[in-house]
Amino acid sequence: DAGVTQSPTHLIKTRGQHVTLRCSPISGHKSVSWYQQVLGQGPQFIFQYYEKEERGRGNFPDRFSARQFPNYSSELNVNALLLGDSALYLCASSPQRESTDTQYFGPGTRLTVL
Amino acid sequence: AQKVTQAQTEISVVEKEDVTLDCVYETRDTTYYLFWYKQPPSGELVFLIRRNSFDEQNEISGRYSWNFQKSTSSFNFTITASQVVDSAVYFCALSEPSNPYDKVIFGPGTSLSVIP
Repeated sequence: DAGVTQSPTHLIKTRGQHVTLRCSPISGHKSVSWYQQVLGQGPQFIFQYYEKEERGRGNFPDRFSARQFPNYSSELNVNALLLGDSALYLCASSPQRESTDTQYFGPGTRLTVL
Repeated sequence: AQKVTQAQTEISVVEKEDVTLDCVYETRDTTYYLFWYKQPPSGELVFLIRRNSFDEQNEISGRYSWNFQKSTSSFNFTITASQVVDSAVYFCALSEPSNPYDKVIFGPGTSLSVIP
């Protein structure tokens, strides 16, 4: 079975632009979570979606938004990009809604904001 | 306050040496889960282990072993007879069902280099 997939792999944007990152979970997994990993740090939780509803939100500004589609894939949108948004964005899927479930991560999208 | 502490930022060992990665966590919950993930240079986080707070039994999986001690709030990870392929950043993580804002809290990671 395919693992979690993310697109694009790399992305370069300039300040003020917006970006959309995509994630497809493992088949059968209904929960998708997004994380931001700044270089040299651990991943930081942004959102969790389960059955198309937001189930959790980390300490990120409203410039960050996400949604989940009927097929359980998800998009993360970031508006008005700042230099500090440069990071590896990781998507993780799990079978159920509980955060205590094991999460399986995708390869990430590396975003560079110039 | 940092909820997951990995005091070792970087560790270097020579191949075949044993190495222990430390993890100390902080929580007020009686029910919680702890995880270890490996992040090789490719960037993808690889799941290694999940342990709930009620199971203090140590676990061994091949060359990997984990020592969970609630009394000291530690969940340490040992690699026996390390290999070059073990070189990666290792993250310890905590999940608290009662916390709606930080679903899974990761530590800062320990970068392990295994030298041939």
